[in-house]
Amino acid sequence: GAGVSQTPSNKVTEKGKYVELRCDPISGHTALYWYRQSLGQGPEFLIYFQGTGAADDSGLPNDRFFAVRPEGSVSTLKIQRTERGDSAVYLCASSERAGGLTDTQYFGPGTRLTVL
Amino acid sequence: AQSVTQLGSHVSVSEGALVLLRCNYSSSVPPYLFWYVQYPNQGLQLLLKYTSAATLVKGINGFEAEFKKSETSFHLTKPSAHMSDAAEYFCAVTSMEYGNKLVFGAGTILRVKS
Repeated sequence: GAGVSQTPSNKVTEKGKYVELRCDPISGHTALYWYRQSLGQGPEFLIYFQGTGAADDSGLPNDRFFAVRPEGSVSTLKIQRTERGDSAVYLCASSERAGGLTDTQYFGPGTRLTVL
Repeated sequence: AQSVTQLGSHVSVSEGALVLLRCNYSSSVPPYLFWYVQYPNQGLQLLLKYTSAATLVKGINGFEAEFKKSETSFHLTKPSAHMSDAAEYFCAVTSMEYGNKLVFGAGTILRVKS
């Protein structure tokens, strides 16, 4: 079956611009996660959705970052006034159940964001 | 605090040799542990996970890992390396204390020499 997909695969933008990154989770998966992976580091948690609501947004670095999942499926990560330090690979993952600590998180290929 | 340490950012082995990638975690409550592999330009793929059912966990592609509570370790091994094993490997931990988020180590790049 189809896995997690993310668009675009690459995004180059200028400092100060607004960007949106899209994630299509595996069909039927209740939980959705966003992570950010900087060069040479492991993924870092940003936000977790149970259905439509953000259950944990403690990883969002500041108020320039926002994410939505209005219908409990597709999610969009929005970054305002981008800064060069936002450059990273943004990863999306989904898992079958909300609250399932042992559930496998299935990752998408990521969106590579470059802020010039 | 919960964290993951992967000793060795780069590991090089010869084809057919033992692969050992080290992972140590810290957690104040019982952890659940995962190993993911990332091939170039691909997403993270689960190799195996420890969910408290058995301390020795077998995964895909001949990999296995053993949970050792006394050592707070979850090292990944494979008896005989194959060229196709060359990739970056990430250890991750979660627990009740930190909800559903995975906390990842910095990763280990495995190089397999012919």
